[in-house]
Amino acid sequence: DADVTQTPRNRITKTGKRIMLECSQTKGHDRMYWYRQDPGLGLQLIYYSFDVKDINKGEISDGYSVSRQAQAKFSLSLESAIPNQTALYFCATSAGGLAPAGTDTQYFGPGTRLTVL
Amino acid sequence: TQLLEQSPQFLSIQEGENLTVYCNSSSVFSSLQWYRQEPGEGPVLLVTVVTGGEVKKLKRLTFQFGDARKDSSLHITAAQPGDTGLYLCAVSGGSNYKLTFGKGTLLTVNP
Repeated sequence: DADVTQTPRNRITKTGKRIMLECSQTKGHDRMYWYRQDPGLGLQLIYYSFDVKDINKGEISDGYSVSRQAQAKFSLSLESAIPNQTALYFCATSAGGLAPAGTDTQYFGPGTRLTVL
Repeated sequence: TQLLEQSPQFLSIQEGENLTVYCNSSSVFSSLQWYRQEPGEGPVLLVTVVTGGEVKKLKRLTFQFGDARKDSSLHITAAQPGDTGLYLCAVSGGSNYKLTFGKGTLLTVNP
């Protein structure tokens, strides 16, 4: 079984709808992240959480919200989806701990392809 | 201004050829990571380099961190179709664990 799972894998929705993307991990990691990937723009950080009580905005948080329900679960919501939120969304985890910053390995899920019509 | 500039953006080669892709910045970093993303999947860590001038090898892949720790290169020898994917470099912007990614080099190796 995959260590980081994302549901759904594909979703088509309409403008104005509320959408929730879910991420679960079995790696026991404290740190979880949500990224968005667009062609030509690379991976951009939306939100990140270093433990259950810690939520931080990333580079492009406008229009998104998150919930860290448990150590293993981190959900991303689009309250009112718009077409320019069409993208590939990735969840990732890392152990953190005593490893120097920048040497912490991030483990990515398989991604959710979201299309907003 | 992009923190990390990757070049080339696209590269299409024949099986057996050698290639080098680059990750450049004007900033100094304490470490740099390379990830590979295969079609339909999430990125997977290939290597972390931490010392200026460091060279690491992973089978046919050779990674080098620049002496000044501002840039890095990835060289692939005798490329194979299985090497096809998006190669991303990433750095930590500070004392926390957020990663900033370059836009990547999309490599296609044709049989």
